[in-house]
Amino acid sequence: QLQLQESGPGLVKPSETLSLTCTVSGASISSSSYYWGWIRQPPGKGLEWIGSFYYSGSTYYNPSLKSRVTISVDTSKNQFSLKLTSVTAADTAVYYCARHYRRELPDYWGQGTLVTVSS
Amino acid sequence: EIVLTQSPATLSLSPGERATLSCGASQSVYSSYLAWYQQKPGLAPRLLIYDASSRATGIPDRFSGSGSGTDFTLTISRLEPEDFAVYYCQQYGSSLSTFGQGTRLEIK
Repeated sequence: QLQLQESGPGLVKPSETLSLTCTVSGASISSSSYYWGWIRQPPGKGLEWIGSFYYSGSTYYNPSLKSRVTISVDTSKNQFSLKLTSVTAADTAVYYCARHYRRELPDYWGQGTLVTVSS
Repeated sequence: EIVLTQSPATLSLSPGERATLSCGASQSVYSSYLAWYQQKPGLAPRLLIYDASSRATGIPDRFSGSGSGTDFTLTISRLEPEDFAVYYCQQYGSSLSTFGQGTRLEIK
């Protein structure tokens, strides 16, 4: 059974870098069948697609976040990671990792992890 | 950026009734690349419909999607108690995927 689990600090200071890891079990992130990526949701608000990657090494980012976002992959651990630099309070959100059926179409989500940006 | 506007913001219905949720796009959605998600409090969203009308794996057939261009609809034929939640539409046909602001489906 597919499972995705986000992990990382729940509190990040303004101007620092937010770093999260998604550990996948029940499927290989090296598979050619799917993309894998991240979505976020500020408390009480709507959803924002952040980015995704394909097993070939291609990455795709939300243009509004592209200058601050990096998604990297560790196939040996079946994990992928999100780094978001120069964070502000506006980056406070629940961050979800997800399998993507298409490049920007998440079809199976992790439970999410709340990251708060505050000094 | 394609802006998606969902209506109504809140829909109050009773179990057994039919629900019709709308999603309007500011520009035509390429290839009807539009999805619908259901989200319950404290949980991650669940994909219901993709490509405007295709049901995702394991989704009951009381959920159906329709539409093209700029107007899309999610219909729940007969509401079950577990269907009361927030529903989001998403377009993934442009260079930037965007979500609507959500419709809250509440028990009347």
